[in-house]
Amino acid sequence: KNEVEQSPQNLTAQEGEFITINCSYSVGISALHWLQQHPGGGIVSLFMLSSGKKKHGRLIATINIQEKHSSLHITASHPRDSAVYICAVGDYGGATNKLIFGTGTLLAVQP
Amino acid sequence: DSGVTQTPKHLITATGQRVTLRCSPRSGDLSVYWYQQSLDQGLQFLIQYYNGEERAKGNILERFSAQQFPDLHSELNLSSLELGDSALYFCASSPDPDSTLHFGNGTRLTVT
Repeated sequence: KNEVEQSPQNLTAQEGEFITINCSYSVGISALHWLQQHPGGGIVSLFMLSSGKKKHGRLIATINIQEKHSSLHITASHPRDSAVYICAVGDYGGATNKLIFGTGTLLAVQP
Repeated sequence: DSGVTQTPKHLITATGQRVTLRCSPRSGDLSVYWYQQSLDQGLQFLIQYYNGEERAKGNILERFSAQQFPDLHSELNLSSLELGDSALYFCASSPDPDSTLHFGNGTRLTVT
C-alpha cells in the first residue's frame, strides 16, 4: 500500500462545477503540500498546510491530522484548472524535507 | 516564474554516458531539492542540500550524485546512464526545510 493515496485518479467535470480531490496518508507528517502540474509543464506549489484550512482564490485546502486526510476543493471550476494535482507529505525532522508524493489526480474541466 | 532556473531543458544522450543537470535556486533560498518524475514511478525525492551540506537522501541511485556549491547553485550528476533513467528531473528550492517549495521547469532527460 502506498504511503500517500489520492482519489480519484481521474476526474472530468463541467465548467462551473465544485470539485474535490482527496488525499490520505499513513505516515507521520509535519506538513502536507498540494501541487499543480499542467501537461508538459512545471510544478507549482498551491498550498502547504499542517492544520486546519487555507484558501487562495477559488482553491481551498483542508487537513485533518487525526484522520490523516486532506482535501483540495476547487469552486466554480474553469477549463484552465485542467491539470494534474499532486498531494505530497513531508516530515521536517532534523531539518530535512523528504517529500513522499501521491500518484496525482488528472483533472479535465470541459467548457 | 518561480525564480528557480534549471538547465538544460532537454537532454538526449546514449546509454552508458554521463550528464550534469544544473539548478540555480531562488535568490536567498538555502535549501535545494532534486526530484525524479518518471511514467512508472511518479515523483520521487532524490536528495536535499542546505547551505552546501547534504541533509537528506531519498531513492537516489549510487550512479547519481549531487552537490551544492558556495554560490548555492546545485548540480545533479547522472552516470552510466540506462534507458530507465529517462525522466523529468525537477529541482526545487526554499528558504529553509519547512517552507513552501518553488520548483524549476525541469530537465527532460532521454536516454537512447
